[in-house]
Amino acid sequence: AQSVTQLGSHVSVSEGALVLLRCNYSSSVPPYLFWYVQYPNQGLQLLLKYTTGATLVKGINGFEAEFKKSETSFHLTKPSAHMSDAAEYFCAVILNTGNQFYFGTGTSLTVIP
Amino acid sequence: DSGVTQTPKHLITATGQRVTLRCSPRSGDLSVYWYQQSLDQGLQFLIQYYNGEERAKGNILERFSAQQFPDLHSELNLSSLELGDSALYFCASSPGDGQNSPLHFGNGTRLTVT
Repeated sequence: AQSVTQLGSHVSVSEGALVLLRCNYSSSVPPYLFWYVQYPNQGLQLLLKYTTGATLVKGINGFEAEFKKSETSFHLTKPSAHMSDAAEYFCAVILNTGNQFYFGTGTSLTVIP
Repeated sequence: DSGVTQTPKHLITATGQRVTLRCSPRSGDLSVYWYQQSLDQGLQFLIQYYNGEERAKGNILERFSAQQFPDLHSELNLSSLELGDSALYFCASSPGDGQNSPLHFGNGTRLTVT
């Protein structure tokens, strides 16, 4: 069973528009949640993480994500897309039953000038 | 710069051959993870070591093996290579043994098997 699902393998937005990348997890117990970004020919870079506490998490580069237990979601948003945001974005979870990272299949973000 | 170093950056080899990929974790990190990234399989967890001991195994083939040395660097050995092994191989490190510690990734080794 998939531990984390990213809806939409490709998302295109216009420069200045809202970015919304979707992530849902499957766990009865709230896991630890992360968003990573991968630029071409580079490794994955941590954008933000949720462990406990405040459900709205702010990350780097103006991104934020909200943990919604009722919806088992951890969607990533940015109010205004910039050309430099074009990259692959991965949602990841650590289930409380273990210590393994489970990555989603990734969402490729294209920003249209 | 994540502080995780992977060598080499690129590797081109023939089918049937054996290669070794090397990873130096961030200073102070005890855990090393190996991932394979390919277009059709996405990011696949291979194996994790913590302070020299194997901690978790993912979708790692029997032809592949890894180890973590006393100085905490790790090597991933790939043998009897097949065309399908062509992929990006990432190493990541974290301070502890999973839980809520984020992973820090190296820039990867791109393996091409011809």
